[in-house]
Amino acid sequence: QQQVKQSPQSLIVQKGGISIINCAYENTAFDYFPWYQQFPGKGPALLIAIRPDVSEKKEGRFTISFNKSAKQFSLHIMDSQPGDSATYFCAASSSGTYKYIFGTGTRLKVLA
Amino acid sequence: NAGVTQTPKFQVLKTGQSMTLQCAQDMNHEYMSWYRQDPGMGLRLIHYSVGAGITDQGEVPNGYNVSRSTTEDFPLRLLSAAPSQTSVYFCASRLGQGPYNEQFFGPGTRLTVL
Repeated sequence: QQQVKQSPQSLIVQKGGISIINCAYENTAFDYFPWYQQFPGKGPALLIAIRPDVSEKKEGRFTISFNKSAKQFSLHIMDSQPGDSATYFCAASSSGTYKYIFGTGTRLKVLA
Repeated sequence: NAGVTQTPKFQVLKTGQSMTLQCAQDMNHEYMSWYRQDPGMGLRLIHYSVGAGITDQGEVPNGYNVSRSTTEDFPLRLLSAAPSQTSVYFCASRLGQGPYNEQFFGPGTRLTVL
C-alpha cells in the first residue's frame, strides 16, 4: 500500500512534442505529490508539486494532472526540449509522516 | 549558501570495510535524510532525522548507522560494507518535518563495494 508505481520506464519524444509520465498510488492518506527532475551526476531537484485539493497545477511548460478517484497523477511536459532530457521521479507523502515514497523513475530523452 | 554538500563524491571499498559518508547543510533545516538510489528502484529512504539528537529508520536501514549531533551535519556510517550496498547515496534536507516543505538533495556519493 506504500508503493508508488511509475510508468513508462523510458520515453523518447521529438523536440516540440508532449512528454507524459504517469504515477499511481494506493494509500489514500497521501496528500502531497511532488515531481523531481534529475540530470546525470546530479541530485534530484523539485520540479513541481500538487496537493489533492486541486486537479491540475501548471508551471510554465510543466503540468501535473491529478485524479483523486483513480489515485493517479501525471506529469505533462509541453513543447519538450532537448534540455528536458533527464530522469523524472514522482513521489508521494502524507502530512502524518515525514517520509516520501518515490516512484522508480522515467528516463526521458528529447530528440533534437 | 552552499546548500546540501556531500563528501566524498566517489568511493571504492572492500567487503567488510567501514566508512562514513558526510553530509552537511547550511540552510538551518531541521529535517535531514539519507536515500540510496539503485537502477529501477527509485530512491529509498535509509534513515532520517527531525532535529539534532533525533534519528529514526527508513525503509532500508540495515547495515547503516546515523547520528545527528548538530543541525548542520548528518553523517551516514557503513558498519561492514557489503556488495549489496553498492549504490548512489543522496543526502537531503528540508526546513521542517512536514512534506510540503521543499526538499533539497545533495550531489550524491557513488559507492562501489568489491
